[in-house]
Amino acid sequence: GENVGLHLPTLSVQEGDNSIINCAYSNSASDYFIWYKQESGKGPQFIIDIRSNMDKRQGQRVTVLLNKTVKHLSLQIAATQPGDSAVYFCAETSIYFGNEKLTFGTGTRLTIIP
Amino acid sequence: GAGVSQTPSNKVTEKGKYVELRCDPISGHTALYWYRQSLGQGPEFLIYFQGTGAADDSGLPNDRFFAVRPEGSVSTLKIQRTERGDSAVYLCASSLTPPGDPYNEQFFGPGTRLTVL
Repeated sequence: GENVGLHLPTLSVQEGDNSIINCAYSNSASDYFIWYKQESGKGPQFIIDIRSNMDKRQGQRVTVLLNKTVKHLSLQIAATQPGDSAVYFCAETSIYFGNEKLTFGTGTRLTIIP
Repeated sequence: GAGVSQTPSNKVTEKGKYVELRCDPISGHTALYWYRQSLGQGPEFLIYFQGTGAADDSGLPNDRFFAVRPEGSVSTLKIQRTERGDSAVYLCASSLTPPGDPYNEQFFGPGTRLTVL
């Protein structure tokens, strides 16, 4: 399969612990943010999104926090499982860009230690 | 299948050759995007189609790259005179654009890994 992100920042977490992945986004005009999970050999998979009129959104085992003041986004994964091991990307966009093309961050490789 | 499909999954070619990469979006999705992902990087936008027309091709790196979507469904990314630097995974994504909701999830295909020798 495809090796994605050989030289990415890495984070190793014990199974069952919580993990936090951080992302600094680039464009202050962006108003929609998404976290994607990418496993080896696969395309990015949507995890959770947040619009700029919010600072926190929760899903199942995941929480996204948005700090527009410092242009920072974080993804918290609770009670991590081996299947959470993957590369995680944040992405930003805005409808005011004319379309919803995504600008991705560099990604973080998360490894869950059994 | 119900997801975005891309063919071939792998393509190896020689420098200077021409290649075509195909994307089958989810049925009914009017928006289609191509991205390129180099090793160790996040995907980078190439081109966006709304229906049959290329609404934004600002991400295409040069005129060797071209994409079409003649019937508003399947899209083909075409690369002429390939160079070693074109080696990457080429990802396709599609989304709905229903009126009233400007933000729509983009569903990605598995990508085509292009290797230029």
